[in-house]
Amino acid sequence: GAVVSQHPSWVICKSGTSVKIECRSLDFQATTMFWYRQFPKQSLMLMATSNEGSKATYEQGVEKDKFLINHASLTLSTLTVTSAHPEDSSFYICSARDLGKTQYFGPGTRLLVL
Amino acid sequence: AQKITQTQPGMFVQEKEAVTLDCTYDTSDPSYGLFWYKQPSSGEMIFLIYQGSYDQQNATEGRYSLNFQKARKSANLVISASQLGDSAMYFCAMREAIGSGGSNYKLTFGKGTLLTVNP
Repeated sequence: GAVVSQHPSWVICKSGTSVKIECRSLDFQATTMFWYRQFPKQSLMLMATSNEGSKATYEQGVEKDKFLINHASLTLSTLTVTSAHPEDSSFYICSARDLGKTQYFGPGTRLLVL
Repeated sequence: AQKITQTQPGMFVQEKEAVTLDCTYDTSDPSYGLFWYKQPSSGEMIFLIYQGSYDQQNATEGRYSLNFQKARKSANLVISASQLGDSAMYFCAMREAIGSGGSNYKLTFGKGTLLTVNP
């Protein structure tokens, strides 16, 4: 089946630094990619939807200047958490949709901001 | 308003028995899809089963079956012959079209049910 990878799987950073998370579709072209955030013992919350070559659409309450999303190619999307703070510590999961309607999830990235 | 409701924060089941995880949904769109995902402690989201709103028969995938009752807007997951490895969080999700044109979709997740299988 289709595979979506995320890198890094774990990241620990100091408060105020920026962190970039990569999401790649390994064997299919992803016209749309989604970024989710999951706090401990909670559900996945959609942060933004990005279509290749266009600006991301952010969900209500998500700061687009803080969570920069770039979807430069059909196989790569990046999420940059700018000036990260401890409250940004979370599990970030990307998902990629192929030309049909099937959505595949990456393994997630755990971010800890000290 | 919550679109996906999972009323069971936690469920326990004995190994080899069947268990039903509840999910109700709310949408006015006639075309939608319902998914169940398993999330073990590692965090990965594992796709289990899918039911389309126009599907006439309930979906089945191995030990997983989806009890789809459209009029009641429910899509319960039934796991038969539970195994210890089934212990995990289970999320119900609904795919809906967003915007016009019908080409963009998003998944909305319920709060999840933590299933524990006892030996």
